[in-house]
Amino acid sequence: DGGITQSPKYLFRKEGQNVTLSCEQNLNHDAMYWYRQDPGQGLRLIYYSQIVNDFQKGDIAEGYSVSREKKESFPLTVTSAQKNPTAFYLCASSIGGRDYGYTFGSGTRLTVV
Amino acid sequence: GQQVMQIPQYQHVQEGEDFTTYCNSSTTLSNIQWYKQRPGGHPVFLIQLVKSGEVKKQKRLTFQFGEAKKNSSLHITATQTTDVGTYFCAGPYSGAGSYQLTFGKGTKLSVIP
Repeated sequence: DGGITQSPKYLFRKEGQNVTLSCEQNLNHDAMYWYRQDPGQGLRLIYYSQIVNDFQKGDIAEGYSVSREKKESFPLTVTSAQKNPTAFYLCASSIGGRDYGYTFGSGTRLTVV
Repeated sequence: GQQVMQIPQYQHVQEGEDFTTYCNSSTTLSNIQWYKQRPGGHPVFLIQLVKSGEVKKQKRLTFQFGEAKKNSSLHITATQTTDVGTYFCAGPYSGAGSYQLTFGKGTKLSVIP
């Protein structure tokens, strides 16, 4: 079955550490996205990528980095520069952009300890 | 930038009562999408509306797109406990990047059995 796989489901990070969240899709979608969800804040866009080897900053990109070396993969690194990284991170993809529904992964819950 | 506002933020209803959530955009939208997120889950695409004044139904759910294409509503008839979750509307970002959706903050629905 086609879909998006995010791993790990839960992640604990010590302050000062970088961590990388995995996102893999087998839907053959061109566009991929990373969102952050905090209680009462809805979904906020971190980064997005329309094609391989190209990505753009979203509304809250500071303290995060991404790469898009393969169409199927769009990993997100939460760096030590991100001051408040504890959140629920959602990866999504779409076949062609904003005129098509997004398919979301099941998310990674990151906690700083 | 474009903003998508949703009201109410929270709604508690008795099972069997109706429920409506409203979505308003600061700019005209080419389309609007609705998503549902169950507690502890990830957003799932429900529907997309494209035409001015469009009405679509999915069983007990009725979706409307305003005549001016700046507002939308989701109405659930005779709520059930399976309707519990947060409902998000989303519209295409009207900036330079044409592959983004802007999400509202969502309406969290609780159904009292």
